Amino acid sequence: GAGVSQSPSNKVTEKGKDVELRCDPISGHTALYWYRQSLGQGLEFLIYFQGNSAPDKSGLPSDRFSAERTGGSVSTLTIQRTQQEDSAVYLCASSSLGLAEETQYFGPGTRLLVL
Amino acid sequence: SQQGEEDPQALSIQEGENATMNCSYKTSINNLQWYRQNSGRGLVHLILIRSNEREKHSGRLRVTLDTSKKSSSLLITASRAADTASYFCATWDERGKLIFGQGTELSVKP
Repeated sequence: GAGVSQSPSNKVTEKGKDVELRCDPISGHTALYWYRQSLGQGLEFLIYFQGNSAPDKSGLPSDRFSAERTGGSVSTLTIQRTQQEDSAVYLCASSSLGLAEETQYFGPGTRLLVL
Repeated sequence: SQQGEEDPQALSIQEGENATMNCSYKTSINNLQWYRQNSGRGLVHLILIRSNEREKHSGRLRVTLDTSKKSSSLLITASRAADTASYFCATWDERGKLIFGQGTELSVKP
């Protein structure tokens, strides 16, 4: 079946504007993850959704970042009042059951540039 | 802090040569994964090695794990230009989150 998809592929915005990034996980996958990757760095965990449970938001860097997952499928990551340091690639991943140590499947990412 | 850290940060080799990348981690693990990333985009899962395994093969990939040294290595044999990518190791932390290393940027010149 189709893999994880993300939109937009690229986003350029001005400092102070809000942005929304979308993730469509693999159909039937119950777990969804958001990561951030700054230039030349590894991935930084942001947030994790598992079924109907309350999301694990422990990785969100500030209260300007929020995410929701509607109907247990599509997720939107929102960054309010963007700052230049928010420029990064935002990657989404999903896994089948969200079990500990289960393989995650990644989308192509959204490259965000804040001017 | 990063659970896994790769070494070297960058590696440049000629096609046909072998490429070896190393990863160190800090805490006890049940398994360790290696991922590949092309052009700063989505990651592709390559291989998973469990803590009770010492070596695992998948095609031209060979992964070793030394739990006493808390380290793993990824060997790509007979490299090709298409192997040019960044390679990351990843482990799970005590709260069940996947933690990635900084990555090794591999360049294979034709």
